[in-house]
Amino acid sequence: QSALTQPASVSGSPGQSITISCTGTSSDVGSYNFVSWYQHHPGKAPQLIIYEGTERPSGVSHRFSGSKSGNTASLTISGLQAEDEADYSCCSYAGSSTWVFGGGTRLTVL
Amino acid sequence: QVQLQESGPGLVKPSETLSLTCTVSDVSISTYYWSWIRQPPGKGLEWIGYIFYSGSTKYNPSLKSRLTISIDTPKNQFSLRLNSVTAADTAVYYCARLYYFGSGSHDFDLWGQGTLVTVSS
Repeated sequence: QSALTQPASVSGSPGQSITISCTGTSSDVGSYNFVSWYQHHPGKAPQLIIYEGTERPSGVSHRFSGSKSGNTASLTISGLQAEDEADYSCCSYAGSSTWVFGGGTRLTVL
Repeated sequence: QVQLQESGPGLVKPSETLSLTCTVSDVSISTYYWSWIRQPPGKGLEWIGYIFYSGSTKYNPSLKSRLTISIDTPKNQFSLRLNSVTAADTAVYYCARLYYFGSGSHDFDLWGQGTLVTVSS
């Protein structure tokens, strides 16, 4: 089980859109539509923002959206706001009741 | 509002056992799957394992030989024990609920705030 690959950092200005990629393999991201994304503000509990690749839990802003193509999943945040500045991690089901996370991406809102 | 809270020693000596407990509030632990996840300093999250209220478990293969996750339903708690720790086990440890959204997907929908455990002599 190797960690999923995410960019270490991304940045954008308020109002812009950004996309964070999450690259796995044919054994995890490529095999299952079970990719989730988590937002993490330092010192706080991580929050689930996308599950099943594209679904948003109740209460999560429509500005967050997910997609997948092949072995790569993506999280897009539109209309960037200062409060979106946080760490974002992807996670994929990897078969046999196991999960693998990405290395995390730090989003800076300029 | 469902809450999860990790507790346990913040400092463990090398070769000893790391023990943490997660206390769940406002929902019965006898309903869902419960998981441990950790994040070493400067690194990404790592799934450690999960337990169901029945006691059935599944562990990350990389930790399986050193790991025990248990559950105490009367106390609404579940626990982690990691043996023979080294500096590489230094991390923020999170407990989380593994929730079934349907369509086959289980995801970590509720998390504790995490607790830092440092392995050092």
